[in-house]
Amino acid sequence: AQSVAQPEDQVNVAEGNPLTVKCTYSVSGNPYLFWYVQYPNRGLQFLLKYITGDNLVKGSYGFEAEFNKSQTSFHLKKPSALVSDSALYFCAVRDKGATNKLIFGTGTLLAVQP
Amino acid sequence: DSGVTQTPKHLITATGQRVTLRCSPRSGDLSVYWYQQSLDQGLQFLIQYYNGEERAKGNILERFSAQQFPDLHSELNLSSLELGDSALYFCASQSGQFEETQYFGPGTRLLVL
Repeated sequence: AQSVAQPEDQVNVAEGNPLTVKCTYSVSGNPYLFWYVQYPNRGLQFLLKYITGDNLVKGSYGFEAEFNKSQTSFHLKKPSALVSDSALYFCAVRDKGATNKLIFGTGTLLAVQP
Repeated sequence: DSGVTQTPKHLITATGQRVTLRCSPRSGDLSVYWYQQSLDQGLQFLIQYYNGEERAKGNILERFSAQQFPDLHSELNLSSLELGDSALYFCASQSGQFEETQYFGPGTRLLVL
């Protein structure tokens, strides 16, 4: 079965410092991977996706993610964190079965301190 | 703004009742997905419709049902509600192509008292 894991429930970082939110995946074949962000009392907002091609994917709000096949990871990164980046981040993998459903990780709460 | 709309934003009801959640997909998107977000289960896929037809079911209870109408909007019906059904319900839409992104609506927060 396909799955993603987010090993950290919470990540704390100071404003202006680089941030990394970790995600590892377990998929047979080539994965389709996604990052979404959820702000308080809001829906899920799409940040970026990896389908194929360049291992470094650039997305919205200055975020990027690096696909690493050998480590089965898809970590989300940003060079300089903002207080406004504080939110819940979800990694997801597209199911390769009969449906295109997304299988989500448990989420990582990012807290950026001023 | 994702272009996906959901109504109502909040719903408070009592156990045993029935509610209907509505979703309008982005213009041109044929697929609608329903997800449930709860503290104990996380984000879970419930059901998918494509161009009016049910495509796949996930962890959806028999008390729950959905449909997609000819104008492509979708409704999720929850009946015989229990306290444990309290959750945030999201709908997402997608164009239909496998590699395309699912865009989520703002969700409906259901509280069963």
